[in-house]
Amino acid sequence: AQTVTQSQPEMSVQEAETVTLSCTYDTSESNYYLFWYKQPPSRQMILVIRQEAYKQQNATENRFSVNFQKAAKSFSLKISDSQLGDTAMYFCAFMNNKAAGNKLTFGGGTRVLVKP
Amino acid sequence: SAVISQKPSRDICQRGTSLTIQCQVDSQVTMMFWYRQQPGQSLTLIATANQGSEATYESGFVIDKFPISRPNLTFSTLTVSNMSPEDSSIYLCSVAVLTGNTEAFFGQGTRLTVV
Repeated sequence: AQTVTQSQPEMSVQEAETVTLSCTYDTSESNYYLFWYKQPPSRQMILVIRQEAYKQQNATENRFSVNFQKAAKSFSLKISDSQLGDTAMYFCAFMNNKAAGNKLTFGGGTRVLVKP
Repeated sequence: SAVISQKPSRDICQRGTSLTIQCQVDSQVTMMFWYRQQPGQSLTLIATANQGSEATYESGFVIDKFPISRPNLTFSTLTVSNMSPEDSSIYLCSVAVLTGNTEAFFGQGTRLTVV
């Protein structure tokens, strides 16, 4: 079974600064997807960024980028130019391949607080 | 993409009763997923709901406690049965879209409080 570990329960960052959230995972599969989801107090899960395991290039989405190290099974998220609206819980998630059902395994979450 | 409507958004229930949560998707999907998020915790998969067959439950979750229906490719329900305060959680339904950019979409969640 896959496991996802987020070692930082909480992070704080000053507005406009950069923060990096760590995520490690364990799997025996070679083909999978990794995601970062944001959950604000509204409870809605919002996709921040995705990474296909077969792609070596790190994904970027505006101020959000990842450092994907497949051999090390590491998938960190960098938030640049942090904004107050980035305050939320962030979950790293692993999706297995289609044959295994496409279910998500989540890390424990990191609470990010952006300070003005 | 997929838009998921989940209801109720919240409820307060008496212990020993049952609550059924509904999840409606705006497109046909093969599998729907039900997650539980206990207070201050991450999301844990309860079961995978397949149309035309029984749901597949994860370890620690049983059908008698969390019966699931999946009558068609756009709708599913999760019932939390014989509730106790330990069932107080957020329950979320989700679908995986595999065409184009693979992504999981979520309903707005149901915040359940059992008193």
